[in-house]
Amino acid sequence: AQSVTQLDSQVPVFEEAPVELRCNYSSSVSVYLFWYVQYPNQGLQLLLKYLSGSTLVKGINGFEAEFNKSQTSFHLRKPSVHISDTAEYFCAVGVYSSASKIIFGSGTRLSIRP
Amino acid sequence: EAGVAQSPRYKIIEKRQSVAFWCNPISGHATLYWYQQILGQGPKLLIQFQNNGVVDDSQLPKDRFSAERLKGVDSTLKIQPAKLEDSAVYLCASSLEVGWESIYEQYFGPGTRLTVT
Repeated sequence: AQSVTQLDSQVPVFEEAPVELRCNYSSSVSVYLFWYVQYPNQGLQLLLKYLSGSTLVKGINGFEAEFNKSQTSFHLRKPSVHISDTAEYFCAVGVYSSASKIIFGSGTRLSIRP
Repeated sequence: EAGVAQSPRYKIIEKRQSVAFWCNPISGHATLYWYQQILGQGPKLLIQFQNNGVVDDSQLPKDRFSAERLKGVDSTLKIQPAKLEDSAVYLCASSLEVGWESIYEQYFGPGTRLTVT
């Protein structure tokens, strides 16, 4: 069965510092991976996705993620964070049987200190 | 383009009462999802519709939860009777899924925060 594990429940960083949010997946078939962001009191928004092709994926708001098949990882990175990046970040894996669906990880809360 | 609409935004009920949530997806999106997000956890899929047919309801507690999407557009999720452990945010999402690039691309509403006391 496909699943994702987010290794850190909370990540505090200082403003303008780099950040990496870790995600590992397990899948026995083709891998489709996603990062979603949830700002306070809002729904989830797609940050970026990996379906195929280049292993380095660029998303919105300056975020990027790298698909690493040998390490079964899909870590999210940003070189310099802003206060506005404070949110919950969810790694997810796509599953397809009769229709497509997404399985989410437990989330990582990113808090930015001034 | 209008986003996914949900109402109400907040609801407080006592255990054993019933409650209903409404969702209007983005126009033209055939697939609609209901998720339950318990505090500190990721969203868990409850039910998935393709037009007005159920594709996956394997994680829906059918003894108390029900959902319908009568005309293939908006949808209602009901809980009857509610339990304390149903306290969560209920998220609705929709997707277009025309072509490879849009597959898995779900658009989420703001959610309904349910508190059961």
